[in-house]
Amino acid sequence: DAGITQSPRHKVTETGTPVTLRCHQTENHRYMYWYRQDPGHGLRLIHYSYGVKDTDKGEVSDGYSVSRSKTEDFLLTLESATSSQTSVYFCAISDYFWGLSSPLHFGNGTRLTVT
Amino acid sequence: KNEVEQSPQNLTAQEGEFITINCSYSVGISALHWLQQHPGGGIVSLFMLSSGKKKHGRLIATINIQEKHSSLHITASHPRDSAVYICAVRDLGGATNKLIFGTGTLLAVQP
Repeated sequence: DAGITQSPRHKVTETGTPVTLRCHQTENHRYMYWYRQDPGHGLRLIHYSYGVKDTDKGEVSDGYSVSRSKTEDFLLTLESATSSQTSVYFCAISDYFWGLSSPLHFGNGTRLTVT
Repeated sequence: KNEVEQSPQNLTAQEGEFITINCSYSVGISALHWLQQHPGGGIVSLFMLSSGKKKHGRLIATINIQEKHSSLHITASHPRDSAVYICAVRDLGGATNKLIFGTGTLLAVQP
């Protein structure tokens, strides 16, 4: 299995507090992604990274920021959590080798509840 | 209209049945992924394909690029196959490596 770890696995926080989720990989993959999964919506991309300090927005980036200071770590921050950000968050990694894309590997998810 | 549509949304089968889940997409793609998610569990990549057919154990995935359609087949289904199956496409027109996901097919295999 690909070495990808998310922390924490579960988090309950109050509206207005900052929250940081961590994704750590040991595969040295260039691409890292943060998705949220909500009933009826499937997986939606929040932010992604294509290298250290190289990040870009996804389709649901409002209210979220990310940082990638090392290849292995991709942090997702909710500056001021809202109830609409209650969701399950998944980190994923992939790469290209000899022009071919690798499969996508997912972390086990973080269940975030904002009260 | 979603760019990736899966059918059916829900499927109940008896153990041993042959199962087909369909995925249609409307964008040009470089690859299509089939993923599996067990209840409360993580997401596992089953297949990545850009043409033809792939087989792994009792699972078979096919893709028709001209028709923009893929199918996931499960032969001799078993209760442990009960999960959500998700189709995702890598959009040629999008940023490098971005994926568009279907909303998933919930499969329940009854003993």
